Formats: sequence, structure tokens, C-alpha cells
Amino acid sequence: NAGVTQTPKFQVLKTGQSMTLQCAQDMNHEYMSWYRQDPGMGLRLIHYSVGAGITDQGEVPNGYNVSRSTTEDFPLRLLSAAPSQTSVYFCASSYSLSTSGEADTQYFGPGTRLTVL
Amino acid sequence: EDQVTQSPEALRLQEGESSSLNCSYTVSGLRGLFWYRQDPGKGPEFLFTLYSAGEEKEKERLKATLTKKESFLHITAPKPEDSATYLCAVQRTSWGKLQFGAGTQVVVTP
Repeated sequence: NAGVTQTPKFQVLKTGQSMTLQCAQDMNHEYMSWYRQDPGMGLRLIHYSVGAGITDQGEVPNGYNVSRSTTEDFPLRLLSAAPSQTSVYFCASSYSLSTSGEADTQYFGPGTRLTVL
Repeated sequence: EDQVTQSPEALRLQEGESSSLNCSYTVSGLRGLFWYRQDPGKGPEFLFTLYSAGEEKEKERLKATLTKKESFLHITAPKPEDSATYLCAVQRTSWGKLQFGAGTQVVVTP
């Protein structure tokens, strides 16, 4: 298994440009999510999905869109990039629940480092 | 509101000098507490999940423990390869929203 893959690894945008960060997993996980990581603030949840066709907002959703048409893919779209969106973006996935109902482990991709000028 | 606080922010250790990292949390209905390791330029790498107070888990030189208010990550006789940022996260709901702390950066010198 490749696990969770993300493309691109690095990206530089100008203010106002749009782009899509790609995320894919080959573990048949139901749950996928996007986080951003900024210095001193930890990882913050942007959007998440509990299955194909189902998405919801996390803690910091403004300026981002998501869709989930397949189990494997969960792209993150920046509609009109702003300097405040300069960050490192991580995608994660897991089974929604273990058989015991306990929280299941989320596995993270390698990240996309985005700079908005 | 759920809160996760990690201390210290940074820790510098000599090789072989054992120490502990703290993760204190306030969350109702904890489903799980997670420890991750993150190397520079990489994604978080899963270490442990703890589900209930009193639980302990070990992996090589690392041992994680959990109480009702905090978790500790003990590093015994660390080596330079243990240098990384260690992240703590809690999950309250059943569908995976993780609340992360800011992390503890550990540097182990030979």
C-alpha cells in the first residue's frame, strides 16, 4: 500500500489564483480530512468527509472547498488564494470506527507546502 | 471548548538522559488520545493511541501513559534519532475530528 499520498509537495501561488491540492489513499478508509499546520498553532482541521458524497466543515473552513466523489480521493480547492493561506497542508485518513467503537488511528500524508505571495 | 496543551515547547536532552513530555487536555467524552512523531518536512507518524485512564503503551524507548486530565510521553535513554517534534491529539466524536496540541520539539545531542 502507498498509504496517503499528496501532490504537489511544494506550490507557490499569487494572491487571487486558484488551485487544487490532491489527496489519495489506497487503504479503503471511510474517513478523510484536511489539516493545516502553522508555526506555534498545531494542526487545525479544515474539512473532513465520513464517506463518498459526505463532507463537512472543520475549525478553519473559510476559503477552502472540498468534495468526495470516490472513497480514494479527497481534493482540497483554494478558490482565491490569500497570503493567510500560506501553510503546510496535510491530508489524513482512517476507518471511521474500530469494531469496538473506539477512535481509530488517522494516518497522515507527507504534506504540501504552499506559499501565497 | 476542547483544549490540548503540550509542555514544554522545546526540550534539549543529552543522549541517555531520560525525560517526560506532558499533554494536558480538557475534553468531554474522550474517544482516544493520540501521540504522533513529526520529523522536519514530513507528515505526522503515528505512535500510540490511549483510550482510558490508567492505560500505558510502549514502543522501544517511548512509553505513553494516560490519566483523566493528562498524558505523558516518557523517553527512556534517548538517542539522537529520537529527535523530532512530538504531537498530542484528542478525539471526542466518533468520526475523527482531532484536536492537536502545538507540539514539543525534542533535540537529543550525542
